[in-house]
Formats: sequence, C-alpha cells, structure tokens
Amino acid sequence: DVKVTQSSRYLVKRTGEKVFLECVQDMDHENMFWYRQDPGLGLRLIYFSYDVKMKEKGDIPEGYSVSREKKERFSLILESASTNQTSMYLCASSFWGRAPAHGYTFGSGTRLTVV
Amino acid sequence: TQLLEQSPQFLSIQEGENLTVYCNSSSVFSSLQWYRQEPGEGPVLLVTVVTGGEVKKLKRLTFQFGDARKDSSLHITAAQPGDTGLYLCAGGGEDMRFGAGTRLTVKP
Repeated sequence: DVKVTQSSRYLVKRTGEKVFLECVQDMDHENMFWYRQDPGLGLRLIYFSYDVKMKEKGDIPEGYSVSREKKERFSLILESASTNQTSMYLCASSFWGRAPAHGYTFGSGTRLTVV
Repeated sequence: TQLLEQSPQFLSIQEGENLTVYCNSSSVFSSLQWYRQEPGEGPVLLVTVVTGGEVKKLKRLTFQFGDARKDSSLHITAAQPGDTGLYLCAGGGEDMRFGAGTRLTVKP
C-alpha cells in the first residue's frame, strides 16, 4: 500500500525550540509539499520541492525552512517555534507533471502545539 | 495566487437528504479536484474534473465543472453518516491551492 508517512501524529514544543517535522513517501514521487491547516483558513502552502535539493517558497514560508537531501524525504523546520505556528501540518507528494490530473497523496498530518 | 472559496462553511443534515456544496473562483483553472478529509487524517482525492461543463459521478456523488472552468459543485444524493467529513476543492498547477472546505455532518 503506497503511502506518505509523517513521523509524529502529535507534538508539543516550547516557544523558541527548533522543530523538525519529517515526511517520507514510498511512491518515487518527484514532488513533495508542506501545508498547514487551520480552521476557516483551509490548507496553506508553506514550501514545496520538485526534486532533490530543490525548494520553492509557497504562500506562507516565513518562519519555516525545508530540507530535501533524498528523493523520498522532505523535512519542514521551524527555526524558532512560536505560538502562532500551532497548527496541523500536512505533507503531500505527487508525480511531476501529473498533479493536476492525479492529485496529491497526503500523510495523516502532525498536530503541533507550541506552548 | 488563485483563490478558491467554498460554501457553505458548515452543513448539518439528516440521513437521506440531498445536498450541494460549491467551490468558486475568479480565476480559470485547467482542472479542479475534490478531496474528502476525515478527522485525524489527511485529505483523500475523490475526483478530478478537467473539461468545462464536465459532470462526473461517483456512486451517490455528482461533481460538475463550470462551463467557464471557474467553479465546481459537489452534489450528494441520499446522504449517509459515512459521508460526514471535510470536503475540499483544489486547483492550480503542480503546486495546488485549496479552499477552506465545507464541513458536512450527516446525522442518523
């Protein structure tokens, strides 16, 4: 069964901590994405990557960075966590050139609380 | 950034009722997708519509893409409690944008 796996379902971190959210896919997808989901705001794109070592800013990249050293793994980094980064974080992947037709495969999400 | 607006934001109905939810934009999309998300899970793709005016059916779900490719609707016939969830529309290129969703509750 193909899947996108996010390393943690729930995380609680303190303000100022450096936080790593990990995402691994086993479908050999070129594209990987990080979204955050907040009530009433939907899914907002943070960063995405079309290939290893490539990254592109989405709509809300401030306060975040990403790393893609291997094709199957895409990490989201909160350099200094703040309470306004409390959210559900969703990772997704797709084949290059096929997203508009075939859509994304999502992970189950990481619910991050920053206290 | 292409924005997608979904309505209504919340919908609560009884089992057996019919319903329609909407996804609208001022931008033209080459395709639109509908996803359903259940609590504690990521969204799962239901359908992609590509051609203006296209209608796709998935059992009791009917999806329509507007003629101008700026809007889409999802109609559910005889809703069941298992249809409960957050329905999201999405569009764009390789990096898609999502609406805020319609949260549907179907009561037994």
